[in-house]
Amino acid sequence: DQQVKQNSPSLSVQEGRISILNCDYTNSMFDYFLWYKKYPAEGPTFLISISSIKDKNEDGRFTVFLNKSAKHLSLHIVPSQPGDSAVYFCAASGVNDFGNEKLTFGTGTRLTIIP
Amino acid sequence: EPEVTQTPSHQVTQMGQEVILRCVPISNHLYFYWYRQILGQKVEFLVSFYNNEISEKSEIFDDQFSVERPDGSNFTLKIRSTKLEDSAMYFCASSDSRGLLAGTQYFGPGTRLLVL
Repeated sequence: DQQVKQNSPSLSVQEGRISILNCDYTNSMFDYFLWYKKYPAEGPTFLISISSIKDKNEDGRFTVFLNKSAKHLSLHIVPSQPGDSAVYFCAASGVNDFGNEKLTFGTGTRLTIIP
Repeated sequence: EPEVTQTPSHQVTQMGQEVILRCVPISNHLYFYWYRQILGQKVEFLVSFYNNEISEKSEIFDDQFSVERPDGSNFTLKIRSTKLEDSAMYFCASSDSRGLLAGTQYFGPGTRLLVL
């Protein structure tokens, strides 16, 4: 079941440059998308989210772009900092009758920022 | 900043034993979840809980699993008879339905379960 895909298992970026992480989804019922950052042996930490009614959401150095027609979203981090080195997960959900539906996660992209 | 907490951080158990994983969700949240991540695999959904009942569960969440909110603050996951393949990191999450971040799930640090 690969409803959410992150095709790049790893990415290395020079400090100060832009990091672009990509995510594709197949389920057209998804209407809320999130990015989480995860360090080893820790829980996922929420970074930024976007609703399907928007195509862009920005929070400081982090911007998420959503292309609904392509079923594609991306996370831009600029400028990249050494502390950004972690595994980044894309996640998606819909809304059910109870209000908040389960998250479906991608496989993650390991981002390494090179000083 | 409010956060989800989980205990214990690590649990080692023998196959066939019962384990209870505990979570304290963020206090004003109404929706609660358990996920797990087997080493090297993606984070996968187990169960969601709202208004004192299960709202959705995955195929993984069979009769060996149960969840409970025994009081106003704790949310527990019980595995009745553990199997080797239950070894994983178990994450609790909670969310609210209100405000700008409605639907955002906040995760605890996880419990690493090892079944021998």
